[in-house]
Amino acid sequence: GENVEQHPSTLSVQEGDSAVIKCTYSDSASNYFPWYKQELGKGPQLIIDIRSNVGEKKDQRIAVTLNKTAKHFSLHITETQPEDSAVYFCAASKGSGGSNYKLTFGKGTLLTVNP
Amino acid sequence: NAGVMQNPRHLVRRRGQEARLRCSPMKGHSHVYWYRQLPEEGLKFMVYLQKENIIDESGMPKERFSAEFPKEGPSILRIQQVVRGDSAAYFCASSLGQGAEYFGPGTRLTVL
Repeated sequence: GENVEQHPSTLSVQEGDSAVIKCTYSDSASNYFPWYKQELGKGPQLIIDIRSNVGEKKDQRIAVTLNKTAKHFSLHITETQPEDSAVYFCAASKGSGGSNYKLTFGKGTLLTVNP
Repeated sequence: NAGVMQNPRHLVRRRGQEARLRCSPMKGHSHVYWYRQLPEEGLKFMVYLQKENIIDESGMPKERFSAEFPKEGPSILRIQQVVRGDSAAYFCASSLGQGAEYFGPGTRLTVL
């Protein structure tokens, strides 16, 4: 089955700096890669996703890049703010119907933005 | 449009009791997924259901755990004869079946 590795497990940055979180996946058939932000005591919130037919996607201060050949994808947060502090999870799925939609998650990155 | 709803938010059970977790998907979503999150771990897939059908239960323990998504009403995750190792956060997610899964706030189960 799919295996998703996520690094680093913790990341501390100063407000205004950029943060980068990286994930690798093992199943070359995976084609859907969402990122989730989880605040303490809450459920994961989808913040951005990318499909394998594109290499990069941007939404304001958040961007995701995908390298299908190397089977890795990354989350980039620019101009970080204290409210960006949370646990971030990457995930992968085949995303083409039936049971292929189940997500395999990385173990998460605790991002701390220091004011 | 209300998001995914789960109840109860917190549930305490003694060993050997039954736990019932409920999930109401987002309006218009017919696909429901249950995930379990252990402390400081990522979410692990348990089961994927559509109305009245279990599509994939490969992540669910074969004993004591069951799930349903009836034609009417919420999806239910049922854990019989709970043990301490069942203590975790259980998240439900729903989707239109085209990828993006939206998660509920979770039920935090504590087994004493």
